[in-house]
Amino acid sequence: KNEVEQSPQNLTAQEGEFITINCSYSVGISALHWLQQHPGGGIVSLFMLSSGKKKHGRLIATINIQEKHSSLHITASHPRDSAVYICAGVGGFGNEKLTFGTGTRLTIIP
Amino acid sequence: DTAVSQTPKYLVTQMGNDKSIKCEQNLGHDTMYWYKQDSKKFLKIMFSYNNKELIINETVPNRFSPKSPDKAHLNLHINSLELGDSAVYFCASSPRGTGGYGYTFGSGTRLTVV
Repeated sequence: KNEVEQSPQNLTAQEGEFITINCSYSVGISALHWLQQHPGGGIVSLFMLSSGKKKHGRLIATINIQEKHSSLHITASHPRDSAVYICAGVGGFGNEKLTFGTGTRLTIIP
Repeated sequence: DTAVSQTPKYLVTQMGNDKSIKCEQNLGHDTMYWYKQDSKKFLKIMFSYNNKELIINETVPNRFSPKSPDKAHLNLHINSLELGDSAVYFCASSPRGTGGYGYTFGSGTRLTVV
């Protein structure tokens, strides 16, 4: 069983819709990255969270430490948001290796 | 300037060959990593080095040997390549002791073994 579970695996939505991707993680993970990967492209860290909520433009990430759960929201989705979104847990100070979820393939239809 | 640069971007080679992938970071980070992304797009840690010292080796076959000549470079050498080694390999770096802040990935090397 993976230490980081992500859902849904695939998500297709119309342009303008509000998008939510969920991530649950196990004990031993101290913080979470939300990563974005475009087809054939590199990986970019959108957020790193250890508590609370962060916002950047139309992207919002939240984390609930007690429930070991994080969500990535996209407001007013746009076709250029189409990508794979991956949550990745950080092992902790001195052990910053990432443990990845299986990714969510998001497709936004114009 | 590219923060974490990998070369080559694409590598096609025959089974049994030996190949290397190079990674360099200009961020001043202490820790560097190799991650493998398989055909199902799942990412997994292979190695982690901190200031030239190996700190993580995640049950990777001995045919894979990382080398870190200094803290800005982490190369990956693969001996006797097999079909199953075909994947995208990502180098990454992070500052040590920050709990994961500043993680930066290279653009990946797509290795195809034929």
